[in-house]
Amino acid sequence: GENVEQHPSTLSVQEGDSAVIKCTYSDSASNYFPWYKQELGKRPQLIIDIRSNVGEKKDQRIAVTLNKTAKHFSLHITETQPEDSAVYFCAASMSTDSSYKLIFGSGTRLLVRP
Amino acid sequence: DGGITQSPKYLFRKEGQNVTLSCEQNLNHDAMYWYRQDPGQGLRLIYYSQIVNDFQKGDIAEGYSVSREKKESFPLTVTSAQKNPTAFYLCASSTPGTGPSGYTFGSGTRLTVV
Repeated sequence: GENVEQHPSTLSVQEGDSAVIKCTYSDSASNYFPWYKQELGKRPQLIIDIRSNVGEKKDQRIAVTLNKTAKHFSLHITETQPEDSAVYFCAASMSTDSSYKLIFGSGTRLLVRP
Repeated sequence: DGGITQSPKYLFRKEGQNVTLSCEQNLNHDAMYWYRQDPGQGLRLIYYSQIVNDFQKGDIAEGYSVSREKKESFPLTVTSAQKNPTAFYLCASSTPGTGPSGYTFGSGTRLTVV
């Protein structure tokens, strides 16, 4: 089955700097890669996602890149702000017509220092 | 509450007892999922259901049971066979019509064994 590894487990950056979180996946059939942000005690919230037919996607200060050959994808946050502090999870899925089972990475705790 | 409701928010269980966590959605989603989250770890899939009266085991199904008698409901029972049930439990739902971005999480149930 699919296995997703995520690095680093913790990341501390100065406000205004960039943050990069990396994930690798094992199943080459995976075709959907979302990123979630989870604040303490709350539900994960989807912040950006990418499909396997796209190499890069950007939404304001957030971008995701995908390298299918190497089977890794990354989250890039630019101009970080204190409110970006949270735990971030990557996930991978092979979507089917009926459902898609997300397999999550272990998470990265991002701390943005004011 | 985002269309998917989990209850209770906090649950305490004595050793040897079975407890049932509720998950209800009004999004008309076909598929529903249960994940377990431990501190410092990602979300691990317990069970998922693609359609009413059908469900499949995830990666850590031992000690858990589910039912899917109605499209809206996917309760999770934590049995006495689950030796380490203390965790944060998240329910989610999705439907193929909205694509993978339609993966919605509930607000979670924190289960503690006392």
